Amino acid sequence: QQQVKQSPQSLIVQKGGISIINCAYENTAFDYFPWYQQFPGKGPALLIAIRPDVSEKKEGRFTISFNKSAKQFSLHIMDSQPGDSATYFCAASIAGNNRKLIWGLGTSLAVNP
Amino acid sequence: DVKVTQSSRYLVKRTGEKVFLECVQDMDHENMFWYRQDPGLGLRLIYFSYDVKMKEKGDIPEGYSVSREKKERFSLILESASTNQTSMYLCASNPPGKRTEAFFGQGTRLTVV
Repeated sequence: QQQVKQSPQSLIVQKGGISIINCAYENTAFDYFPWYQQFPGKGPALLIAIRPDVSEKKEGRFTISFNKSAKQFSLHIMDSQPGDSATYFCAASIAGNNRKLIWGLGTSLAVNP
Repeated sequence: DVKVTQSSRYLVKRTGEKVFLECVQDMDHENMFWYRQDPGLGLRLIYFSYDVKMKEKGDIPEGYSVSREKKERFSLILESASTNQTSMYLCASNPPGKRTEAFFGQGTRLTVV
C-alpha cells in the first residue's frame, strides 16, 4: 500500500514552462514533507521541504503548495530549464519516528530546450 | 559539507556470493538507511539503524542483513546474492530531530550474474 502517491510518473515540459508534480497522502500524522531531486548517477538531494502549518513555501523557482484538508502537496517549477531535468521524489515523515521517510515513486522530468 | 560515501560505484557479483556494501558518513549522524532503487518502484527501504548495534527492518529486508559496529559505518550484506537483487543501492544518513535532511551517497550499481 503506497502511503504517498505521486503523479505523474513522467513529465515533459518545454523550456520556460511550468512543471507541476503532485503528491497525496493518507496518514494525518505526517508532519514533514520534503521534495528530493535526483540527477542520473547521483543520490537524491533535498530540494525543498514544508511543514503542515504553512500553505506555501518558495525557494527561487521552486514552490511547494500544501493543502492540509485535501491531504495533498505539490511541487511547482517555474521557468523550467533543461538543467532541471531529473527525477523528483516527494516524501513524508512523522515526528519521533527516527525521521524514516515514506517516499512517492518518483517523477521523471524532461525539460526540452 | 556532509559526506556519505559508498565504497563502490559499480559492482558485479556471481549468484550465490556473499556481498558487502559499505557506507560511511562523516557528520556523526545517528540514523542511517539502506534503500534499493528500481525503475518504477521508487526508493524502497531495506534496513535502517538509529544507533550503533541497533537495526530495524524496513519494507523489503528479505535476503539482506546489516551491520553497524561503529556510528559512522553501516554495512549492507547480501547473504547469497541472487539475480533479483540486481539494483541500485543507496545509503543515507540524517541526525535525529523534527525536520531533518537525509543525505545520500552516490549509490552502488550492483549486478548479479
